[in-house]
Amino acid sequence: AQKVTQAQTEISVVEKEDVTLDCVYETRDTTYYLFWYKQPPSGELVFLIRRNSFDEQNEISGRYSWNFQKSTSSFNFTITASQVVDSAVYFCALSEAHFNKFYFGSGTKLNVKP
Amino acid sequence: DVKVTQSSRYLVKRTGEKVFLECVQDMDHENMFWYRQDPGLGLRLIYFSYDVKMKEKGDIPEGYSVSREKKERFSLILESASTNQTSMYLCASSASGIGGTEAFFGQGTRLTVV
Repeated sequence: AQKVTQAQTEISVVEKEDVTLDCVYETRDTTYYLFWYKQPPSGELVFLIRRNSFDEQNEISGRYSWNFQKSTSSFNFTITASQVVDSAVYFCALSEAHFNKFYFGSGTKLNVKP
Repeated sequence: DVKVTQSSRYLVKRTGEKVFLECVQDMDHENMFWYRQDPGLGLRLIYFSYDVKMKEKGDIPEGYSVSREKKERFSLILESASTNQTSMYLCASSASGIGGTEAFFGQGTRLTVV
């Protein structure tokens, strides 16, 4: 069965600190996809990144970076020099290859204080 | 700009009422989903649909039904609302084909059953 675990329920940092959000997944599929979404206080989930299981290259987009390691079944998300606008709930998700059914983690609430 | 629109942001209903939550997408997506979001539990899939008039149960379908008469519209129905259905409900859509396409989410409906 598919499962996504985000062990960090809530994290608080001070602005400009770096912060890493952890995501561990379980699947028996060899082909799968991993996602990160951001949910700001307004409520709408915003897509951040997608990775397929064959692409273990790390990705950087501005202050955001993602580290995908199949050996540890992890897909961690790092925000460098955090800002107050980064305050949100972040969800990690996994989807199957044959159908776009998403399995979400429980989310990590990030509080960035000025 | 892609859009998933849920008919209400906030809804208050009485126990035993039949409740309709409406979702419309303008992206011509084949797949549509209803999730329920509760603190500490992440997003749990209630129902999904991969085509008009087609539907599949998700992880927590009890007490809910769905309707998809047109491609762009996916309705969630609470047959007889109960207080334990007080929650945030999120609608999403995604393109069909192989997995890996991201889901686009609506702004959510916060339902309170009293």
